[in-house]
Amino acid sequence: DTEVTQTPKHLVMGMTNKKSLKCEQHMGHRAMYWYKQKAKKPPELMFVYSYEKLSINESVPSRFSPECPNSSLLNLHLHALQPEDSALYLCASSQDVVGATVTQYFGPGTRLTVL
Amino acid sequence: GQNIDQPTEMTATEGAIVQINCTYQTSGFNGLFWYQQHAGEAPTFLSYNVLDGLEEKGRFSSFLSRSKGYSYLLLKELQMKDSASYLCAVRDNTGGFKTIFGAGTRLFVKA
Repeated sequence: DTEVTQTPKHLVMGMTNKKSLKCEQHMGHRAMYWYKQKAKKPPELMFVYSYEKLSINESVPSRFSPECPNSSLLNLHLHALQPEDSALYLCASSQDVVGATVTQYFGPGTRLTVL
Repeated sequence: GQNIDQPTEMTATEGAIVQINCTYQTSGFNGLFWYQQHAGEAPTFLSYNVLDGLEEKGRFSSFLSRSKGYSYLLLKELQMKDSASYLCAVRDNTGGFKTIFGAGTRLFVKA
């Protein structure tokens, strides 16, 4: 089973709203990732969590706030977003961040529209 | 920094063979992935090469030459459902282990 689930599938929010994206995996993976993908562009790394600790923040604006409550869950809290933040937000997980177990498996994504 | 180049688009015929090339420049190379992504869907893992040579997996094969900074994905017996974007992604250990994606190659398979 290589399933990563994400909710919601679609989200429309205003610039003053606060919302959260959720990601879950039950593969025992210890690394989880958030990516942002605009249309016809490659995924861009936002955050990496390794063993529930934030290990990489790719200079993401503070209006995006990640949280890893436990090894299976990853959240992305959104506040005061801009229309240019509209994109597909992808969550991924891998068994680890080093060695041969680094293959990332992606969830279906949340398509976010900011009005 | 990192630089990953792959052709923007390719077209091939059903039943044929197509090779998608990827060249990369990175200071901390730690492996190369190929992912398939259908429009509006998440990337799905195809292959991972960390050593030089060819890895075969069914209709798909991936090749890596670390000295040349070069990889290719070979798709055999093309099917219509293979129409998708193919993303070359390099794992880089500079400043933490990151996977950097190329812009992708959009493959159109025609009847």
